[in-house]
Amino acid sequence: KQEVTQIPAALSVPEGENLVLNCSFTDSAIYNLQWFRQDPGKGLTSLLLIQSSQREQTSGRLNASLDKSSGRSTLYIAASQPGDSATYLCAPDGSEKLVFGKGTKLTVNP
Amino acid sequence: KAGVTQTPRYLIKTRGQQVTLSCSPISGHRSVSWYQQTPGQGLQFLFEYFSETQRNKGNFPGRFSGRQFSNSRSEMNVSTLELGDSALYLCASSSHGTANNEKLFFGSGTQLSVL
Repeated sequence: KQEVTQIPAALSVPEGENLVLNCSFTDSAIYNLQWFRQDPGKGLTSLLLIQSSQREQTSGRLNASLDKSSGRSTLYIAASQPGDSATYLCAPDGSEKLVFGKGTKLTVNP
Repeated sequence: KAGVTQTPRYLIKTRGQQVTLSCSPISGHRSVSWYQQTPGQGLQFLFEYFSETQRNKGNFPGRFSGRQFSNSRSEMNVSTLELGDSALYLCASSSHGTANNEKLFFGSGTQLSVL
């Protein structure tokens, strides 16, 4: 059974900081892994999808890496902004479909 | 291109009643998945439909059911509501499903409160 852990559960940083969010999963037999952001009371927005054969994906100030063999992924956010405040969730996609972590709640203070 | 549309946005029901939630995927998307989100359990997969057929099912009781129509619109039904069914129900769509390395597009959800 896939289990997904995200550390830290919450993070508060001043604007402009570079930060790393961590995701670990127990079953490495995955097709891909997605990172999502969720704003309060809203649905999820897919930020990045890393295929199992890839090591990383980049989109603007976001960079996600995947080490499938060790069951780890990281999301790097450069030069954080108050608009980045949200909950970030990772979800590996395998035989149990997408299994979500509990998320990291990020607050970027102006 | 319109996004994923879920209706209604909010719903209040009492225990024992049944409820039907609706999801219209992005035009051209044939895969629709449903998720339940609660503060305690987080996001949990309910089921996935593709071309009117249920392709995958999560670990939920039979009170939770769904269907997909020929236009890819999907509905989920919860019968005999329990207090623990109070949650945000999210629907997501993609062209062929996430196993094909496709991003998921989520709707804003239906917030169900069971009193």
